[in-house]
Amino acid sequence: EDQVTQSPEALRLQEGESSSLNCSYTVSGLRGLFWYRQDPGKGPEFLFTLYSAGEEKEKERLKATLTKKESFLHITAPKPEDSATYLCAVRSITASKLTFGTGTRLQVTL
Amino acid sequence: SAVISQKPSRDICQRGTSLTIQCQVDSQVTMMFWYRQQPGQSLTLIATANQGSEATYESGFVIDKFPISRPNLTFSTLTVSNMSPEDSSIYLCSVVGGGVTEAFFGQGTRLTVV
Repeated sequence: EDQVTQSPEALRLQEGESSSLNCSYTVSGLRGLFWYRQDPGKGPEFLFTLYSAGEEKEKERLKATLTKKESFLHITAPKPEDSATYLCAVRSITASKLTFGTGTRLQVTL
Repeated sequence: SAVISQKPSRDICQRGTSLTIQCQVDSQVTMMFWYRQQPGQSLTLIATANQGSEATYESGFVIDKFPISRPNLTFSTLTVSNMSPEDSSIYLCSVVGGGVTEAFFGQGTRLTVV
């Protein structure tokens, strides 16, 4: 069974203080690993798809990386508007569904 | 990416009643899914909505409780039947299509059962 574990559960950063979120996964053949951002009361917003180990994707202050066992979401010089819950999910080559982790709640303060 | 409209956005319902949630997509999509997100929790897949046939339910979810329809490639409904307070959650519609692997989500329906 596919499994996704995210850490930490919650992270509080000061504006400009860079950090990384971790997503460890177990999957029977990775079709894709996905990062989403979710604001309170809203549906998840798609950020990145990573397909193979060594792949990296960037968007503004966010950079996602992938190894064979985990993915990192690096946040460089975060701003208060980056505060949200960040969700990681995987899809295996044998399934159509996504398996989600429990998320990391990020709070960025001034 | 697809534009997904979910209705209603929120509702407060009496226990024992049923609520039908609609999901409309602005383009034809390959797959449609329904998720539940309980307070403070992550997303749990309820079922895959199959066009023209019965939905495929995940372990712990049954058709009598969560009947799903998908009459065409752009529309689906999820009904939460005989509701109890434990059904209070956010229900999310998700779609995959257009040759991509990522899923896109609607804004969700916040359901409170009293």
